[in-house]
Amino acid sequence: GAGVSQTPSNKVTEKGKYVELRCDPISGHTALYWYRQSLGQGPEFLIYFQGTGAADDSGLPNDRFFAVRPEGSVSTLKIQRTERGDSAVYLCASSAKVPGQGATDTQYFGPGTRLTVL
Amino acid sequence: AQSVTQPDIHITVSEGASLELRCNYSYGATPYLFWYVQSPGQGLQLLLKYFSGDTLVQGIKGFEAEFKRSQSSFNLRKPSVHWSDAAEYFCAVGDMEYGNKLVFGAGTILRVKS
Repeated sequence: GAGVSQTPSNKVTEKGKYVELRCDPISGHTALYWYRQSLGQGPEFLIYFQGTGAADDSGLPNDRFFAVRPEGSVSTLKIQRTERGDSAVYLCASSAKVPGQGATDTQYFGPGTRLTVL
Repeated sequence: AQSVTQPDIHITVSEGASLELRCNYSYGATPYLFWYVQSPGQGLQLLLKYFSGDTLVQGIKGFEAEFKRSQSSFNLRKPSVHWSDAAEYFCAVGDMEYGNKLVFGAGTILRVKS
């Protein structure tokens, strides 16, 4: 079956612009996660959704970052007034079980969106 | 707070040689542990995971890992490395108290020489 997909695969923008990054999770997966991977580092957690609601947004670096998942499926990560330090690969993952309800399930990752802020 | 340490940034092994990648974690409860592999331009692929039970876990591509609670370690091993194993490897711990968000180590880049 289809895996997690992310669009666009690459995004180049100018400092101060607004960007949207999209994630299509595996069909039926209730939990969705966003991570950010800077060059030479491991992925860092940003936010996760249970269904439509953001259950934990503690990893969002500041209020320029926002994410939505209005219908419990596709999610969009939104970054306002982009800065050069936002340049990174943004990864999305989904899992089949809602965390906290029995054994956790594996997170399956998409290929990522490489964001470059000039 | 939970954390993961991968002490080796780069490792080079000869094709056919054995491999061990180190991972140490800090977590207050029984951890959920993972190894992922990332090839250039690719997403993260799960190699194996430990949730409970047998502390020696088998994964895909001939990899295995052993959970040692006393050492807070979850080292990844492979008896014979292939050139296609060259990639970056990430160890991660799942934070079950907070929705199982993953905390990753910084990664180990594996180079395979022929």
